[in-house]
Amino acid sequence: QVQLVQSGAEVKRPGASVKISCKASGYTFINSSFHWVRQAPGQRLEWMGWSNSVNGDTYYSEDFQGRLTITRDASATTAYMELSSLRSEDMAVYYCARGAYGAFEYWGQGTLVTVSP
Amino acid sequence: QSALTQPASVSGSPGQSITISCTGTSSDVGAYKYVSWYQQHPGKVPQLLIYEVSNRPSGVSIRFSGSKSGDTASLTISGVQAEDEADYYCSSYTSSSTWIFGEGTKLTVL
Repeated sequence: QVQLVQSGAEVKRPGASVKISCKASGYTFINSSFHWVRQAPGQRLEWMGWSNSVNGDTYYSEDFQGRLTITRDASATTAYMELSSLRSEDMAVYYCARGAYGAFEYWGQGTLVTVSP
Repeated sequence: QSALTQPASVSGSPGQSITISCTGTSSDVGAYKYVSWYQQHPGKVPQLLIYEVSNRPSGVSIRFSGSKSGDTASLTISGVQAEDEADYYCSSYTSSSTWIFGEGTKLTVL
């Protein structure tokens, strides 16, 4: 079955970067798009960006332009999200999700990122 | 980036039908069939309920249905049950090749 397993919780200082991995299994990795979504405590879901499997391009929400990098390693069937210049407002649970039919079909278990001095 | 507009909360008694609206613009909801809905119970991972406006993934109850008219999409839950109490989010593809979520709606089953 399709599984997306994310790396573990992170604690970072303000100004640092965090890189989260999302290991996929149970389907053909190269044919899938990946999205990254975050959710701050008690807040709504926030779409961050995606990696398009069709043309290999990445697209980012303007809210993260310049700070967000989404990559993928097909040989490791793993997607990555790196967010730099962290601030307290970036404290959230970060999810990867497989894209299909314009939706977020399968989700990882989430990775908690804590930003603390 | 702004969010799609959803009511903050809705409520219903068991067995009733409820509808949650999701209003966007002609650059997102109104322009594409890629509108989807998600259910999220507290502390849990969101789950896909509806994709492409009105399609249900395998395993999702037929009590959940979706529709769209103009710039507004809707999720209807027929015969609300206690287990449906959760947060619901809509999402849409946009003309910028990005996605956007709604503000989220908390469903309370009375």
